[in-house]
Amino acid sequence: EPEVTQTPSHQVTQMGQEVILRCVPISNHLYFYWYRQILGQKVEFLVSFYNNEISEKSEIFDDQFSVERPDGSNFTLKIRSTKLEDSAMYFCASRKWGYNEQFFGPGTRLTVL
Amino acid sequence: GIQVEQSPPDLILQEGANSTLRCNFSDSVNNLQWFHQNPWGQLINLFYIPSGTKQNGRLSATTVATERYSLLYISSSQTTDSGVYFCAVDTTSGTYKYIFGTGTRLKVLA
Repeated sequence: EPEVTQTPSHQVTQMGQEVILRCVPISNHLYFYWYRQILGQKVEFLVSFYNNEISEKSEIFDDQFSVERPDGSNFTLKIRSTKLEDSAMYFCASRKWGYNEQFFGPGTRLTVL
Repeated sequence: GIQVEQSPPDLILQEGANSTLRCNFSDSVNNLQWFHQNPWGQLINLFYIPSGTKQNGRLSATTVATERYSLLYISSSQTTDSGVYFCAVDTTSGTYKYIFGTGTRLKVLA
């Protein structure tokens, strides 16, 4: 069964560094999402993406964040200058056109030191 | 915005016991999913259930959209059921972004 994959599974970075989190959505899906979960808290929506542009973003998704679909398979989340409070689990999700169920990847745990 | 509350917040069971987890939401929803977050942090999709009842093995779920709640039933619990259970909903506004509930932390004791 096709699934969403994410790399790396765990990334450790220094404060102020740029990080890129990568996701490979399910191949025939057209809607993509990033969510974030700070340790011990609930999962929060960051951004949705369709047709090569952002559909919606939360107030968390400020100018330090960007998303891109650089080719036909990858979907990336970039954090330009990481802060300690960016430490969290980041989940990618995708959805097929005409269907409402979202499929989540296993997550990338980002630790900012 | 929509509020999604789950109860109970914490639950401890002996192996073999049954349990019911509840998800209440404050506004009409288009979609609802239940997830199990395992000890490694992965979100495992349990059910996509905007309405009605579904069953998968020892787990079943019921959503009564008109009354704004969903229930997840776990029967004959096993230690591997431990973790956090989240419900997630999206509203009828058509944005398809999920709002996650507060979660129920389940611990099953051997």
